Amino acid sequence: EPEVTQTPSHQVTQMGQEVILRCVPISNHLYFYWYRQILGQKVEFLVSFYNNEISEKSEIFDDQFSVERPDGSNFTLKIRSTKLEDSAMYFCASTLLGVDTQYFGPGTRLTVL
Amino acid sequence: GIQVEQSPPDLILQEGANSTLRCNFSDSVNNLQWFHQNPWGQLINLFYIPSGTKQNGRLSATTVATERYSLLYISSSQTTDSGVYFCAVERDNQGGKLIFGQGTELSVKP
Repeated sequence: EPEVTQTPSHQVTQMGQEVILRCVPISNHLYFYWYRQILGQKVEFLVSFYNNEISEKSEIFDDQFSVERPDGSNFTLKIRSTKLEDSAMYFCASTLLGVDTQYFGPGTRLTVL
Repeated sequence: GIQVEQSPPDLILQEGANSTLRCNFSDSVNNLQWFHQNPWGQLINLFYIPSGTKQNGRLSATTVATERYSLLYISSSQTTDSGVYFCAVERDNQGGKLIFGQGTELSVKP
């Protein structure tokens, strides 16, 4: 069964550094998402992306964050200058249709020191 | 924004027992999903169920959209069912934005 993949599984970075989290959505899917989960808390929506544009973003997704689909298979989340409070598990998800089952990747655990 | 409340927050079961998890939401939705987060942190899709009833093995789910709640039934629980169960909903025209509840943490004892 096709699945969403994410790399790396774990990233450790210093405060102020830039990080890029990578995702490969399911190949025929058209809608892409990023979520995050701070340890012990619920999952929070960051951004949705369709047709090379952001469809919706949350208040968490400020100017420090950006997303890109650099080619036909990858979907990336960049954090420009990481803060301690960015430490979380980041999940990528994708769907074929706009209102449909969202399939989640295994996550990237980001630790900011 | 829409509120999603799950109950109970914690549940401890003996292997073989049945359980019902509940998700209440405060507004009409066009998407509702149940997830299981395993001990490794992975979010596993259980059901896409904006309305109606579905079954998959020992698990089943029912959503009554008009009354704004969904139930997840786990029968004959196994230790591998342990983890956190999340309900997530999406309102109309929200660009796929899923709003998650706080989850129910299930522990199944052998």
